[in-house]
Amino acid sequence: GAVVSQHPSRVICKSGTSVKIECRSLDFQATTMFWYRQFPKQSLMLMATSNEGSKATYEQGVEKDKFLINHASLTLSTLTVTSAHPEDSSFYICSASPVAGVGETQYFGPGTRLLVL
Amino acid sequence: AQSVSQHNHHVILSEAASLELGCNYSYGGTVNLFWYVQYPGQHLQLLLKYFSGDPLVKGIKGFEAEFIKSKFSFNLRKPSVQWSDTAEYFCAVLSGGYNKLIFGAGTRLAVHP
Repeated sequence: GAVVSQHPSRVICKSGTSVKIECRSLDFQATTMFWYRQFPKQSLMLMATSNEGSKATYEQGVEKDKFLINHASLTLSTLTVTSAHPEDSSFYICSASPVAGVGETQYFGPGTRLLVL
Repeated sequence: AQSVSQHNHHVILSEAASLELGCNYSYGGTVNLFWYVQYPGQHLQLLLKYFSGDPLVKGIKGFEAEFIKSKFSFNLRKPSVQWSDTAEYFCAVLSGGYNKLIFGAGTRLAVHP
C-alpha cells in the first residue's frame, strides 16, 4: 500500500513553455502533499506544502507565481512550472501524507525529470 | 534554521563489510529523525525513524540507527552489507513545530560483490 505516482517521469520542453507534473496517491487519500526539487548530487529541497482545498505554502525563495501548485482532490496534486527556463531543469519529487499536519508518514513518488532547452 | 549534514558523499564497500553512515543535525530541541533509501531508479523509501524512546532504532533490511542526543547524531549502521544495499541514503529531520522534512545531501553507497 501507500503508493504515490508521478506523471510524466521525464519531460523535455522548450524555454518559455509551461509544464504540468501530476502527483497521485493511488491507494490512500492524501491530506497533505509536498513538492521537492533535487539538483544533481544534492539533497531534496522542499519547495512547497499543499493541503487539499487550500492554498499551498511555499518555502522561502520559491516563486509561487512560477511554480503553481493545485491540490484539488485528496488524491491529486499538480505542479505547473510556468514559463520554464533552462535553470528550472531539475528532478521534481512529490510526496504524500495521509495524516493532516504530520510530516512523518510521507510516501514519495518516483520523481519527474524536467529538461528545459 | 535546522540543517542536516551527512559526512560521507560516497562510500564503497565489499559485501559482508560493516557499514556506518554519519548524520548530524543542528536543532537542539525535540527532534524526529529519519533515514530514507533510494535504490537506483526507484523512489525514496523509509528505512527507519526515531521519535522517542529507545535511542537504538531498528529498521527494515537489517539497518539500525542510534540517536545520540549529546552528539546531535543519528548514524545509520548495518553489520554486513549486501550488493543489493547499493543505493543512496538520506538522513532527514522533521522541522520542529512544522511538518517539513529537512534532508541531508545524501550518501551514495556502492557495494561490490
